[in-house]
Parts: sequence; C-alpha cells; structure tokens
Amino acid sequence: EAQVTQNPRYLITVTGKKLTVTCSQNMNHEYMSWYRQDPGLGLRQIYYSMNVEVTDKGDVPEGYKVSRKEKRNFPLILESPSPNQTSLYFCASSLSSREPLGEAFFGQGTRLTVV
Amino acid sequence: QQQVKQSPQSLIVQKGGISIINCAYENTAFDYFPWYQQFPGKGPALLIAIRPDVSEKKEGRFTISFNKSAKQFSLHIMDSQPGDSATYFCAASSEGNTPLVFGKGTRLSVIA
Repeated sequence: EAQVTQNPRYLITVTGKKLTVTCSQNMNHEYMSWYRQDPGLGLRQIYYSMNVEVTDKGDVPEGYKVSRKEKRNFPLILESPSPNQTSLYFCASSLSSREPLGEAFFGQGTRLTVV
Repeated sequence: QQQVKQSPQSLIVQKGGISIINCAYENTAFDYFPWYQQFPGKGPALLIAIRPDVSEKKEGRFTISFNKSAKQFSLHIMDSQPGDSATYFCAASSEGNTPLVFGKGTRLSVIA
C-alpha cells in the first residue's frame, strides 16, 4: 500500500530536549516536505526536499532541522524544542510539486506538545 | 505575506445545499491550483485540481471554478452531505517545482 508513515503519532516532551520525528514514504517520490498545522494559520511549510541531499527552507524553518540522506526518509529534528513548537506536524511526499505528478500524499500527522 | 487567501474560515451548510469556498491569489506565476480535503485525525488528501487553461473542472459533486483575470478560484460542493464535513484547503504552485502554497483552510460543517 502506498503511504507516508510518520512516527510517533503523539509526543509530549519538555523544553530543550532534542527530538526527532521520522517520516518514510514507499512510493519512490523525489519531493518531500514538512508542514505544521495550527488553528487559524492553516498549513505552513517548514522545510522541503526535492531530492536526496537537497533541502530548502519553507516559510517557518526557525527551530527545525531536516536531513535527506535516503530518498524514502525525511526526518524532522527539533534540537531544542520550545512551547511555541507545540503543533500538529505533517510530512508529505509527491513525485513533483505540480500537476500532473503533483498530488501530495500526507502522513497521518504527529501531535507534538512541548511543556 | 499570505500568497493564497481563503474564505470563509468556517462554513455551515444544510444537507443538500451548495457549499462554496473561495480563494484569491496575487502571484500571476501560479499555474496549478489543487484543493485538499482533511478529515479530523487525518492528513490532507487531494480532492480536485485545475490548471488556468480551463475555467471549470467538475468531478462528481465537486467543481472548481477559475477566473484568471480576477485571480480567483473557488470550490463548489453540490448536494452537500454530512460526510463532506471536513477542512478544505486551496493551494497553488508555479513552475520550477516550487512548493505548494496553502490557504488557511475552511472548516465545513454540513448539518442534517
């Protein structure tokens, strides 16, 4: 089954404790991205990657890191989480960012709470 | 600067009615306009998409209307059903494999 898998689904952590949210896709997609979803703000892109070893900042990259060492994996790293990073996070992948290959497949989401 | 402005933020429609969600953009380089549907506890999923060379695209009860001169596009859901209750996001992208830019979303509630 084609899918994007994020782990964990839920995470409560303390300020300053480094964490990693994993994302893996099994569709051989080149394009992967991370979003955060907050009430009233919609989906905001954090980072994206067009291919292995190629990453770029999105709209809200501060406080986050990513890596793309393999095509299928795109982990999101919070080196020193803060309460304002409490949010719902989505990983997405697609063959391209645009039609006709542009359908983005989203993971189930990771709800992160930083206390 | 918000590149895609979506309205309304929330919408309540009677079962059988028409739901209309609007989006406006400024960047004339945008040439791909998808709509995503998100149910509670799930990630967004592609619903329907349009390119600006057509003014309308219909898939079942869902229709995108596109007005290039006004830089606006809208989603119409005909015969709205309670199962359509979800959050809807419009989005846009331009050439060069640039990232999708999303609107802020519309929470649709269809009541019986």
